[in-house]
Amino acid sequence: QVQLQESGPGLVKPSQTLSLTCTVSGDSISSGSYYWSWIRQPPGKGLEWIGFIYYNGSTYYNPSLKSRINISVDTANNQFSLRLNSVTAADTAIYYCFRGEGDYWGQGTLVTVSS
Amino acid sequence: HSVLTQPPSASGTPGQRVTISCSGNSFNIGRNTVNWYQQVPGTAPKLLIYSNNRRPSGVPDRFSGSKSGTSASLAIRGLRSEDEADYYCAAWDDSLNGPLFGGGTKLTVL
Repeated sequence: QVQLQESGPGLVKPSQTLSLTCTVSGDSISSGSYYWSWIRQPPGKGLEWIGFIYYNGSTYYNPSLKSRINISVDTANNQFSLRLNSVTAADTAIYYCFRGEGDYWGQGTLVTVSS
Repeated sequence: HSVLTQPPSASGTPGQRVTISCSGNSFNIGRNTVNWYQQVPGTAPKLLIYSNNRRPSGVPDRFSGSKSGTSASLAIRGLRSEDEADYYCAAWDDSLNGPLFGGGTKLTVL
């Protein structure tokens, strides 16, 4: 059974960097069969795609966030990570990781940007 | 990049058939396949339909999808109370070079 689990701080101060990791079990990122994505959902709002990464490190980012984000992969630990710089209150959201077109998702983690 | 256009809400009574529309353009729905996701409040989205009209294992055949031109639809027949959720369409967008999501439709079972 494929499982994804997000981890990271639930509270980030404005102007600082949000860092999250998605740990994958039941599948190997190195298999190259899927891309691995981050998406977010502000409270009470819709879904916004952030970006995705392939096993070889190739990345695709949402242009609206591209200047502030970095997604990396750690195939040894079967994880991929998100870093979002210079956060503001507008970055407060539930952050999800998912596989491919969304057949498996993490349960999501709420990140609040507040001083 | 704007979102795909969905009605904000839809409703029906148990047993009814309801449809949810999703409108895009030639950069997304017009040239790529459409997925649909169901999100029960407080939980992660769940893939409901992929490649326009295919159901993942475990999704009841009460759910069906279709696409025509730059629009797509999700149909739910035999509506049940547990279908009450938010539904999102999504399609790859060639200008975004990533998946574009609809704004979501809140389905209420009356």
